Amino acid sequence: AQSVSQHNHHVILSEAASLELGCNYSYGGTVNLFWYVQYPGQHLQLLLKYFSGDPLVKGIKGFEAEFIKSKFSFNLRKPSVQWSDTAEYFCAVIASGTYKYIFGTGTRLKVLA
Amino acid sequence: SQTIHQWPATLVQPVGSPLSLECTVEGTSNPNLYWYRQAAGRGLQLLFYSVGIGQISSEVPQNLSASRPQDRQFILSSKKLLLSDSGFYLCAWSGGAEQFFGPGTRLTVL
Repeated sequence: AQSVSQHNHHVILSEAASLELGCNYSYGGTVNLFWYVQYPGQHLQLLLKYFSGDPLVKGIKGFEAEFIKSKFSFNLRKPSVQWSDTAEYFCAVIASGTYKYIFGTGTRLKVLA
Repeated sequence: SQTIHQWPATLVQPVGSPLSLECTVEGTSNPNLYWYRQAAGRGLQLLFYSVGIGQISSEVPQNLSASRPQDRQFILSSKKLLLSDSGFYLCAWSGGAEQFFGPGTRLTVL
């Protein structure tokens, strides 16, 4: 069965620190990959997505993620976090040609001003 | 543009009472529709999804059911709520690419 692992459950950083959140998935076929963010009191919204092409994808608010197929990973990065990045971040995967999205357990990021 | 509505926003129900949560999507046709339960530290658990009217796929056997009576309407139901049904329920739609989520319903079963 497909699964998604997010190894960091809680991360605390100071402003301007660099961020990397890990995401690994288990599925041998073609996948589409996503990072979603949930700011306090707000809807889940898409940060970025990978379908094909350049494995380094850029999203909103300065976030980027790199798809490494050989490692089954899709890690999220940001060079310099801001207090407003405090949120919960979810990695998700869907196998191409299917309808089921599989989500990780989420990472709660707290950025200290 | 597309919008997704869920109601109610919060709900407090006694154990053994019925449940009906509604989700509607505007601005698109024939969406794929999803119900998730979000629990702290456990991410989003897919409960049901639907690729068309009357077509429901159940992911987790439990005390809940779903129906899709119209193209852009998705309903989550229960005949008798359990304490363990408490949680945050999210509806989402997809046109084949990313998903778009509703604001959620916070259900408390007492």
